[in-house]
Amino acid sequence: DVKVTQSSRYLVKRTGEKVFLECVQDMDHENMFWYRQDPGLGLRLIYFSYDVKMKEKGDIPEGYSVSREKKERFSLILESASTNQTSMYLCASSLGQGAQYSNQPQHFGDGTRLSIL
Amino acid sequence: ILNVEQSPQSLHVQEGDSTNFTCSFPSSNFYALHWYRWETAKSPEALFVMTLNGDEKKKGRISATLNTKEGYSYLYIKGSQPEDSATYLCAFNNQGGKLIFGQGTELSVKP
Repeated sequence: DVKVTQSSRYLVKRTGEKVFLECVQDMDHENMFWYRQDPGLGLRLIYFSYDVKMKEKGDIPEGYSVSREKKERFSLILESASTNQTSMYLCASSLGQGAQYSNQPQHFGDGTRLSIL
Repeated sequence: ILNVEQSPQSLHVQEGDSTNFTCSFPSSNFYALHWYRWETAKSPEALFVMTLNGDEKKKGRISATLNTKEGYSYLYIKGSQPEDSATYLCAFNNQGGKLIFGQGTELSVKP
């Protein structure tokens, strides 16, 4: 079974702090994703990566950056945390991109509930 | 902007009731339609990935259908049980990797 592990289930930080959320997957997946989930809005894509050292902006990248130095690890960085970044953050991975992988699901971590005070 | 719409937003049913929800998505450039179940305090779990028009998939009491020409998918739960209580997410794949999620249908099944 694919295992996607997020470093923290709950995190409390202060406004202005630099925050790191870590995600590791153990199945050699090419693709990794960071989402946030807010009530009534569903999952919104922040950033994603199709390969090591490669990143692409999702729908809501403002205020975030990412790092993928190794294939198995994808980090989300809040450069200067703000209260509107209080949310549930989900990491996911999938096998690869392209039509040949379109029948492959994404595998999710348990989520990090981040509160910015 | 591509929109994926789910209805209803929430649903409350009694144990034993059968229920269904709808996912609407753009009908152009279709690659796949995903359904996930997200239980409280757990990670979202893939239920189905459907790629062909007319696809029907089944997993126990849960089944799904797909119409890519008109851009909708139905998820059915037969004889709902309290353990079916969860948020059900659908997601549209039009680029082979990135998913666009609907806002989810929150199902509550009362014993």
